[in-house]
Amino acid sequence: GQQLNQSPQSMFIQEGEDVSMNCTSSSIFNTWLWYKQDPGEGPVLLIALYKAGELTSNGRLTAQFGITRKDSFLNISASIPSDVGIYFCAGRAGNKLVFGAGTILRVKS
Amino acid sequence: DAGVIQSPRHEVTEMGQEVTLRCKPISGHNSLFWYRQTMMRGLELLIYFNNNVPIDDSGMPEDRFSAKMPNASFSTLKIQPSEPRDSAVYFCASSLPGRADTQYFGPGTRLTVL
Repeated sequence: GQQLNQSPQSMFIQEGEDVSMNCTSSSIFNTWLWYKQDPGEGPVLLIALYKAGELTSNGRLTAQFGITRKDSFLNISASIPSDVGIYFCAGRAGNKLVFGAGTILRVKS
Repeated sequence: DAGVIQSPRHEVTEMGQEVTLRCKPISGHNSLFWYRQTMMRGLELLIYFNNNVPIDDSGMPEDRFSAKMPNASFSTLKIQPSEPRDSAVYFCASSLPGRADTQYFGPGTRLTVL
């Protein structure tokens, strides 16, 4: 089946630093999504990307849809303590989403 | 507006018991998804419904798992009999029809089978 490889698995950074994480796939996706999950909650959609090469921002978050349609990255600028959580990439296949394993982000203040 | 509602939030049961998880999707959302999240396997889609009809249940692990959606505002995921390896967080999500890219997740049910 389709699989997404997400990296890094975890990050422990200093408040104020920028963060970068990425996701690759052996399959082509027509939509890439990035979600954040806080402890004890369900994932929440951060950014959706619909076109190869698309670069989209949401506040301090920026995500790009790779031109091969097999990868995507998420950047967080000037991290703050509330950025902690698990970030998931997801690719849309028909009416289903395939999720990466997640990147655990911890921020030292 | 209320988001996706799941109950119970936590469930602890003994092996062999029947477990029923419940979900109320966002009003007006016609697609409903059940996911399971574990450390080992991450977030896996179990089954999804469109207009109360099960479309794809290929993710359901085995016959012990069953899901129903008797109407547009209610769905259940049942495990009978439960086993310790079923311990996980189960999420329900809903979306407008054809908008799997914009799924809204509930808070999840943390299931522990002893």
